[in-house]
Amino acid sequence: QVQLKESGPGLVKPSQTLSLTCSVSGGSISSGSYFWSWIRQPAGKGLEWIGRIYSSGAIHYSPSLMSRITISADTSKNLFSLNLSSVTAADTAVYYCARGRIADSGSDYWGQGTLVTVSS
Amino acid sequence: SFDLTQPPSVSVSPGQTAAITCSGDKLGGKYVSWYQQKPGQSPLLVIYQDGQRPSGIPERFSGSNSGNTATLTISGTQPMDEADYYCQAWHSSAVVFGGGTKLTVL
Repeated sequence: QVQLKESGPGLVKPSQTLSLTCSVSGGSISSGSYFWSWIRQPAGKGLEWIGRIYSSGAIHYSPSLMSRITISADTSKNLFSLNLSSVTAADTAVYYCARGRIADSGSDYWGQGTLVTVSS
Repeated sequence: SFDLTQPPSVSVSPGQTAAITCSGDKLGGKYVSWYQQKPGQSPLLVIYQDGQRPSGIPERFSGSNSGNTATLTISGTQPMDEADYYCQAWHSSAVVFGGGTKLTVL
């Protein structure tokens, strides 16, 4: 059974960088059949896609966040990471990591989500 | 930019059929996935590639996609189906989510 778990600080100060890690168990992030995504959800609002990374190393970012995002992977530790720079209160949200299936088959495994609050 | 539009809310009586729509320009030319999200939980994939059900998803969930509109249909809706539902599609290597629809079963 594939499991994903987000970890990182729950509180980040404005203008600083939000850094989260998604640890994957029960499957390898090196598998060519999947990609690995970050999605966020402000309280009471909808889902917002942040970006994804493939086992090949290819990365796609949300156009609206592209200038502030970095997604990377550490295959030796079977995890992938998100860095979001210059955060503001608008970046306060529950951040999810998820496994996506190639051929546009949806994201079938999600982490439990982690709340990140941007506040001084 | 590419937008997906969903009705904010849909109500259905138990045992009846619920239909949740998702509209976008030429959406029928893209694959659509649907997610169910209950309060305090992570989203759950219920439909992918327009009408395919992942393992473990009840047969009462079905989907279609044509023209500019994709539809998630829940037949014989049960109280446990009350949740927020999100459609999702790819556009130019980016993923787009609809704004979500709150399904009320009453």
